[in-house]
Amino acid sequence: KNEVEQSPQNLTAQEGEFITINCSYSVGISALHWLQQHPGGGIVSLFMLSSGKKKHGRLIATINIQEKHSSLHITASHPRDSAVYICAVYNTDKLIFGTGTRLQVFP
Amino acid sequence: NAGVTQTPKFQVLKTGQSMTLQCAQDMNHNSMYWYRQDPGMGLRLIYYSASEGTTDKGEVPNGYNVSRLNKREFSLRLESAAPSQTSVYFCASSVRDLTQYFGPGTRLTVL
Repeated sequence: KNEVEQSPQNLTAQEGEFITINCSYSVGISALHWLQQHPGGGIVSLFMLSSGKKKHGRLIATINIQEKHSSLHITASHPRDSAVYICAVYNTDKLIFGTGTRLQVFP
Repeated sequence: NAGVTQTPKFQVLKTGQSMTLQCAQDMNHNSMYWYRQDPGMGLRLIYYSASEGTTDKGEVPNGYNVSRLNKREFSLRLESAAPSQTSVYFCASSVRDLTQYFGPGTRLTVL
């Protein structure tokens, strides 16, 4: 069993829809990363959080440390949000990555 | 600031050939990392360096060596490439366990 599990693996949405991507982990962590990887391959950090909730534009990330679960929400989705979203957790100063959620948003 | 740069962007090798992937960062970060990304799998840590002069093995170090040349540069060497090393390689840097910044990646094919 992977230490970091994401769901769903693939997600298709219509423009404007509210999107939720989930991440569960089974190890102790000091922080959790949400990353975005565009079709060109580049990886960008969206959020790093260790408690509560963070918001940046249309993106919201939450974490529940007791339940070992995090969610990434995208409000009013847009085709430019199409990418792979990766959850990663910091465990003993190293990141452990999920396999990613591929999101496609159609106009 | 260029952030994290990697060279080359693409490389094709024959089995048994050697090569070095270069990585440099201009953000004065202490920690640097090498990852590989394979289809259907999450990014996996090959080696990391918590500070200049130190390196440690990650999850998949076999077949690779690294050098932390100075604070800016962290290179990854394949001494004798194998088809199983066909992958996309990413370098990253951070201030300890804070946000990691990734390079653009190197797509390596070993025939």
